[in-house]
Amino acid sequence: DTEVTQTPKHLVMGMTNKKSLKCEQHMGHRAMYWYKQKAKKPPELMFVYSYEKLSINESVPSRFSPECPNSSLLNLHLHALQPEDSALYLCASSQANMGGARNEQYFGPGTRLTVT
Amino acid sequence: SQQGEEDPQALSIQEGENATMNCSYKTSINNLQWYRQNSGRGLVHLILIRSNEREKHSGRLRVTLDTSKKSSSLLITASRAADTASYFCATTFTFGSRLTFGEGTQLTVNP
Repeated sequence: DTEVTQTPKHLVMGMTNKKSLKCEQHMGHRAMYWYKQKAKKPPELMFVYSYEKLSINESVPSRFSPECPNSSLLNLHLHALQPEDSALYLCASSQANMGGARNEQYFGPGTRLTVT
Repeated sequence: SQQGEEDPQALSIQEGENATMNCSYKTSINNLQWYRQNSGRGLVHLILIRSNEREKHSGRLRVTLDTSKKSSSLLITASRAADTASYFCATTFTFGSRLTFGEGTQLTVNP
């Protein structure tokens, strides 16, 4: 199984809501990533988990809170978002050896988030 | 910025023609990867070339890497309408631990 799944596919939330994005993979990968992508721009790294521990936080605002409950799951908890946070949120996974990022990454289809 | 730069930003060709996209970067790399993204979807890994490799093939894809010029090219031969997508190069720097994406090339293959 080389698939990374993400739920939901679409999410519309108000600025006072709390919601969560979910990501799952069953490839045995021990590195997992969250990216944010605005229209017509490349993905921007937000967080990296390696062996279920947060290894990189790209100075992401605290209204985004990642969580890695186990080696297959990655969550992104959202709270008090701003309209400019509207974007496609992509999850990815990879082998964790050799620094993780040195390996090919498998991406999920993304969650299209709209903040109203 | 350490991000790769890609050119052209957009490329429109006819089915059956070859498409070439270029990527340049600024610092020493461990490897360079190419990804494809269909509109609004996730990215698909195409090919990874390591810093000690010069050329790699995968089906209709050919990737070259010139570390002296800090550049790479992706050639898609005999293009098909289904190749229409955005193509991103991504680099892992020698002493880095993150994948950094270039700005991308939007390829349109007309039937």
